[in-house]
Amino acid sequence: DQQVKQNSPSLSVQEGRISILNCDYTNSMFDYFLWYKKYPAEGPTFLISISSIKDKNEDGRFTVFLNKSAKHLSLHIVPSQPGDSAVYFCAALLGDTGNQFYFGTGTSLTVIP
Amino acid sequence: DTAVSQTPKYLVTQMGNDKSIKCEQNLGHDTMYWYKQDSKKFLKIMFSYNNKELIINETVPNRFSPKSPDKAHLNLHINSLELGDSAVYFCASSQDRGGETQYFGPGTRLLVL
Repeated sequence: DQQVKQNSPSLSVQEGRISILNCDYTNSMFDYFLWYKKYPAEGPTFLISISSIKDKNEDGRFTVFLNKSAKHLSLHIVPSQPGDSAVYFCAALLGDTGNQFYFGTGTSLTVIP
Repeated sequence: DTAVSQTPKYLVTQMGNDKSIKCEQNLGHDTMYWYKQDSKKFLKIMFSYNNKELIINETVPNRFSPKSPDKAHLNLHINSLELGDSAVYFCASSQDRGGETQYFGPGTRLLVL
């Protein structure tokens, strides 16, 4: 059973607009969340993370929001650029040492010039 | 019922030993992957198999050998383990070789002493 879900397999956004990628999880014990970006034929690269004790983390154009009561995570990209076109995976960690990783299935983002 | 499973979850072994990590998916997917996660949480693709055929073979030491007895299984065998092999290894699967929607296993934490 998927404990981390990305219900939108794909998303298209106009260049310069905001991209919002969503992720839902079921286990309230997750204590760390990450977003990865993946280009074709490459492995996912780490993008941004957030601890469960925070509700927002910002890094340049990328902001991750965490809503623990809703068990919902989102990644905002503002402004979106064509180079952002990729597959985005969210992941959750369980345990202090991050022993257990749970990945979503990915959302393919296309930024239209 | 777990979609992508890996065994064992934890593996502690001595340098020089040979070990295997098993991966099984019950999704009927054609393509399976092995990733290695480094200390910065970067996931590096190692191998990819499509219908038991090797399609991606990144630059990894030849001590690492994938074996796919059928399309539901992709095992990773490691000979002469070295300290630098210590990492978390993730298996994943996708419906086809496009790989935009991937289901990840929980990871196997390998510690070489």
